[in-house]
Amino acid sequence: QKEVEQNSGPLSVPEGAIASLNCTYSDRVSQSFFWYRQYSGKSPELIMSIYSNGDKEDGRFTAQLNKASQYVSLLIRDSQPSDSATYLCAAPSGYSTLTFGKGTMLLVSP
Amino acid sequence: DGGITQSPKYLFRKEGQNVTLSCEQNLNHDAMYWYRQDPGQGLRLIYYSQIVNDFQKGDIAEGYSVSREKKESFPLTVTSAQKNPTAFYLCASSIGTGDYNEQFFGPGTRLTVL
Repeated sequence: QKEVEQNSGPLSVPEGAIASLNCTYSDRVSQSFFWYRQYSGKSPELIMSIYSNGDKEDGRFTAQLNKASQYVSLLIRDSQPSDSATYLCAAPSGYSTLTFGKGTMLLVSP
Repeated sequence: DGGITQSPKYLFRKEGQNVTLSCEQNLNHDAMYWYRQDPGQGLRLIYYSQIVNDFQKGDIAEGYSVSREKKESFPLTVTSAQKNPTAFYLCASSIGTGDYNEQFFGPGTRLTVL
């Protein structure tokens, strides 16, 4: 059974700092990962997909995938209070399903 | 606007009742999913469907049932056999498979047992 592990947090960072969120996974076969943001009481929103080793940048967000170490991270530059949310990492667990981590809560203080 | 809609937003159920949660999408996605989320927990897969008239059990299917009669619709019934149904229920859809399985979520239905 594939497992996706995340530190539950909370991760607290001051406004303007870089927030680093991490995810490890047990299956060496995984080729892609997805990061979701979930505000309290709301549904998850897909914010980043990464399909290959290395970095992928989208605005203030950078996803980093290291397949050899089975490790994927999400960096949020210039963190804003509006970034405060729970961030979920997900990996494919078969032909048509995803396995989700339990999420890391991020708190950005003004 | 393309998207996924779920109704109702809040639902209250008395013990012994069956209730049905609606999920509709106009994204032309083939695959649809139902998840359950409990406080402090990750998403747990209840059922999924890759094509019309076909669906598979997820990790926690006991006490739930689904149908997929139309591509756009994937309703979930929470039966009286589900012993602890109070949770946040999320419907999702995707067009890709395998490594390209980007799933998009509806707004969710919060079910409470009275």
